[in-house]
Amino acid sequence: ETGVTQTPRHLVMGMTNKKSLKCEQHLGHNAMYWYKQSAKKPLELMFVYSLEERVENNSVPSRFSPECPNSSHLFLHLHTLQPEDSALYLCASSQEGHTAGNQPQHFGDGTRLSIL
Amino acid sequence: GQNIDQPTEMTATEGAIVQINCTYQTSGFNGLFWYQQHAGEAPTFLSYNVLDGLEEKGRFSSFLSRSKGYSYLLLKELQMKDSASYLCAVIRANRKLIWGLGTSLAVNP
Repeated sequence: ETGVTQTPRHLVMGMTNKKSLKCEQHLGHNAMYWYKQSAKKPLELMFVYSLEERVENNSVPSRFSPECPNSSHLFLHLHTLQPEDSALYLCASSQEGHTAGNQPQHFGDGTRLSIL
Repeated sequence: GQNIDQPTEMTATEGAIVQINCTYQTSGFNGLFWYQQHAGEAPTFLSYNVLDGLEEKGRFSSFLSRSKGYSYLLLKELQMKDSASYLCAVIRANRKLIWGLGTSLAVNP
């Protein structure tokens, strides 16, 4: 079973729709991340959850709403999105903590989101 | 400011060696990652450097010079499947990651 699984892989939605992206990690990690990947831009960190608490929110518009019900699952709820929100949304997980050192993040394959 | 520079594109021939450079300017340094990302797939971890020198892992090696703010990823015995984007990411002192734009490598037969 793959380490980090994202669904759906592709999503097309209108600007007035409401949808959710799902991420599940099977690695026993305690931190999870949402990133946005757009063409010709570096990976943009959106949200970080550590031990199910949101520890970072990088000035992301309120039309993106994350939810982390437990350490294995992460959601990104979408509503009233704009065309510029079309991008690849990547979920990642890692093991954080003083004894963990700088552990690499493990990524899912992403959800390709298109806003009409 | 915080900045990471990588070449946008590179091409190389199957069986050859290619070096992908990464230069960075950050406030505080706590390590550097290299990731590989095939089109439409997840970035996958390749290497981690925190001390100066070369880390070798099979066909891939990564080098770091902290005094020069410089790293490179060396790929030997190139294969067609190595065609991908290679991302450099720096960990700042506050543990936050800064990502480069990535280098798109095309391996030709």
